[in-house]
Amino acid sequence: DIQVTQSPSSLSASVGDRVTITCRASQSITNYLNWYQHKPGKAPNLLIFGTSNLQTGAPSRFSGSGSGTDFTLTISSLQPEDFATYYCQHRHAFGQGTKLEI
Amino acid sequence: QVQLQESGPGLVKPSETLSLTCAVSGDFISNGNFWGWSRQPPGKGLEWIGSIHHSGSTTYNPSLQSRVSISVDTSKNQFSLKVTSVTAADTAIYYCTRDTGNYVTGYWGQGTLVTVSS
Repeated sequence: DIQVTQSPSSLSASVGDRVTITCRASQSITNYLNWYQHKPGKAPNLLIFGTSNLQTGAPSRFSGSGSGTDFTLTISSLQPEDFATYYCQHRHAFGQGTKLEI
Repeated sequence: QVQLQESGPGLVKPSETLSLTCAVSGDFISNGNFWGWSRQPPGKGLEWIGSIHHSGSTTYNPSLQSRVSISVDTSKNQFSLKVTSVTAADTAIYYCTRDTGNYVTGYWGQGTLVTVSS
């Protein structure tokens, strides 16, 4: 059973910062890796699918990259609305989440 | 615009069966895609539960497979989740979802809190 591990579990940053979150799979998953943003009291929101494809409506400051076992989500310039928890996902496995705080 | 709305009891007793229904609007289950459920226990991360295709084909999280079942009712354009033998660990916000065949969840319901307690 493939596991996905995110790091860091929490991250403090400021508006305008460039931020990178990492997701590592326990074995190669080619490019089947998705990223979600989740804010308290709301449903999760798909940002990136298939490693690097930006979901319709997601801001272009979000980007994804990687292959095999190592993947990253990058936010090029943090905006106030980006402070949330981010999850990577491969099939039925979600990462533990990265809480992005001011 | 696809909309998903969960409904069901907010309180379930331990050892009983949790049952939730998801009403779909803006799309038809029979059109394709996969219809699923995920959950988030209080203070914890997301957990994918399972999904069903309109054909009836199902896929479940191996960790829950023995207690979970998902079914569809295309005549009502809704699908349902059952979790048997629940414990406090099943307390969570439950989301119904629309997935693609590659487990990409593009649409989520607003979520419904189910508490397992006597």
